[in-house]
Amino acid sequence: QVELVQSGAEVKKPGASLKLSCKTSGYTFNSHYLHWLRQAPGQGLEWMGIINPTFGNTDYAQKFRGRFTMTMDTSTSTLYMELNNLRPEDTAVYYCARELPKALDYWGQGTLVTVSS
Amino acid sequence: DIVMTQTPLSLSVTPGQPASIACKSSQTLLHSDGKTYLSWYVQKPGQSPQLLIYEVSNRFSGVPDRFSGSGSGTDFTLKISRVEAEDVAIYYCSQSIHLPRTFGQGTKVEIK
Repeated sequence: QVELVQSGAEVKKPGASLKLSCKTSGYTFNSHYLHWLRQAPGQGLEWMGIINPTFGNTDYAQKFRGRFTMTMDTSTSTLYMELNNLRPEDTAVYYCARELPKALDYWGQGTLVTVSS
Repeated sequence: DIVMTQTPLSLSVTPGQPASIACKSSQTLLHSDGKTYLSWYVQKPGQSPQLLIYEVSNRFSGVPDRFSGSGSGTDFTLKISRVEAEDVAIYYCSQSIHLPRTFGQGTKVEIK
């Protein structure tokens, strides 16, 4: 069965960097695009970026360009995200998700990230 | 960016009664390939979002048939034919025709 298992909760100080992982299993890693999204406390869903696992090409939401990077390790079928220069407003639950295509059919369990001094 | 607008933002429904959520996009979601890329997701309390419906009206694997989606172009509807207690959740529509992917604000469904 398809599974996306994310790394554990993080507490960071403003200005720090964050790296999260999302280990996939149950399917051929390079057969589906992957996404990162986030959800601030009590808020809706915000899309951050997409990666094509076959070629590694990415596309990011404008608001994150310059401080957000998606990478992957095909040998372990793992997706990563890095977000730099963290701000308190980056406090959120971060989700990875698989593309069906054109819909997000499987989601990770979410990783709570708290940014606070 | 495509703006997705849901109405209502909250809904209180008696078990066994129907419920309907509207979603409007700021641009057509009809792709040149003939498909319309509108999806619905459900997020139950404390859980990750889950795919309910894709391409307007296709139920994802395991989704009960009391959920149905309809619409075209820029106007879409999610219907629950008979609401059950387990349907308490926030429902989101989303477009996937263009990047960035965007979502509606969410509709909170509660049981009376």
